[in-house]
Amino acid sequence: QKEVEQDPGPLSVPEGAIVSLNCTYSNSAFQYFMWYRQYSRKGPELLMYTYSSGNKEDGRFTAQVDKSSKYISLFIRDSQPSDSATYLCAMSAIGELTGGGNKLTFGTGTQLKVEL
Amino acid sequence: DGGITQSPKYLFRKEGQNVTLSCEQNLNHDAMYWYRQDPGQGLRLIYYSQIVNDFQKGDIAEGYSVSREKKESFPLTVTSAQKNPTAFYLCASGYSLAGGYNEQFFGPGTRLTVL
Repeated sequence: QKEVEQDPGPLSVPEGAIVSLNCTYSNSAFQYFMWYRQYSRKGPELLMYTYSSGNKEDGRFTAQVDKSSKYISLFIRDSQPSDSATYLCAMSAIGELTGGGNKLTFGTGTQLKVEL
Repeated sequence: DGGITQSPKYLFRKEGQNVTLSCEQNLNHDAMYWYRQDPGQGLRLIYYSQIVNDFQKGDIAEGYSVSREKKESFPLTVTSAQKNPTAFYLCASGYSLAGGYNEQFFGPGTRLTVL
């Protein structure tokens, strides 16, 4: 079983729709939860990060964490064609790297297409 | 203009050849990372370095080598021992905080194809 599970999609929605992207995880040591956006043939860029259970909002994006269920979500309101990309969830626990550094564990990514 | 640069953008290699991928950052980050991305498998950690002149194997280090002689640079060599090197390679730099937060900034990637 993978530590982080993410539905690969593809997910196709009409412009203006609300999009829900989800990840589940099994490692209860994960403390921080991040969402990256990756356009085709580009490097990922950080969209949002959260620590505690609950919601965090940034413009049209809302990140939600439920640590008791080991489930995180990213909601995109009023989706635009420019939101078409692959969305990667990532999680971090304390000191998983040799030398005490923190490691990011990524989901496989969900491909989103927002159509006109 | 701060950021991470990777070169080349596309690289073609014949079987049996070693190739070196370049990664440079001017963000003054101590930590640097190399990932491999394959369809349906997400990002997998190859090597990481938390300080100059020190680096550690990640989850899939076999067939790869790195060096970290300067803070700004973390080149990755894909050797002929890597059985399936065709992939998208991503370099990142970043920092870790004591509470577990690890923010990483990614370069644009190098797409390696073995002919």
